[in-house]
Amino acid sequence: QVQLVESGGGVVQPGTSLRLSCTASGFPFSSYAFHWVRQAPGKGLEWVAAVSYDATDRFFGDSMKGRFAISRDSSKNTLYLQMNDLRVDDTAVYYCARDRTAFGVANPDFWGRGTLVAVSS
Amino acid sequence: DIVMNQSPLSLAVTPGEPASISCRSSQSLLHSTGYNHLDWYLQKPGQSPQLLISLGSSRASGVPDRFSGSGSGTDFMLKISRVEADDVGTYYCMQGLQIPRTFGQGTKLEIK
Repeated sequence: QVQLVESGGGVVQPGTSLRLSCTASGFPFSSYAFHWVRQAPGKGLEWVAAVSYDATDRFFGDSMKGRFAISRDSSKNTLYLQMNDLRVDDTAVYYCARDRTAFGVANPDFWGRGTLVAVSS
Repeated sequence: DIVMNQSPLSLAVTPGEPASISCRSSQSLLHSTGYNHLDWYLQKPGQSPQLLISLGSSRASGVPDRFSGSGSGTDFMLKISRVEADDVGTYYCMQGLQIPRTFGQGTKLEIK
């Protein structure tokens, strides 16, 4: 079955960097786009970024442009989110999610359990 | 950016009764292919979101037929024909037409 497992979260200070990972299994990794979506404590969902199945297209939310980078490694079935210059308001649970269409970029269907990033001085 | 507005933001429903959630977008989500790029998700307490409805009205695999999606353009509705205790959680609409993707604020459903 489809499984997505995020890792790399933790407590960091403002201005520092963190890289999140998401390891996928149960489906052909190379055929699907992926998304990162975050949820601040007690708040709603916010779309962060997406990468196409072949990594030729990468998309970002407005407040993440220039600070976040998304990448994927098909040899490891792993998705990454590099977060730089972290701010207090980046504090959230970060979810990795698979796109619901093969070879397209639509919206997510399967989601991981998430990893918590806490930015605090 | 496309702004998504849900209403109500919370509702309490008696088991067995119907429930409806509205989602309105600031721009039409109707693509030239004829599909509306609007999806619905449910986030149960303590869990990750799960896909309920895609492209406005297509139920995801395993979703009970008590759930239905309708609408076109800028006005969409999620309906639960008979609410059950397991339906508790927060419902989100999400547009899939433009970057950045955007969500509604969420509608929290509770059982009376």
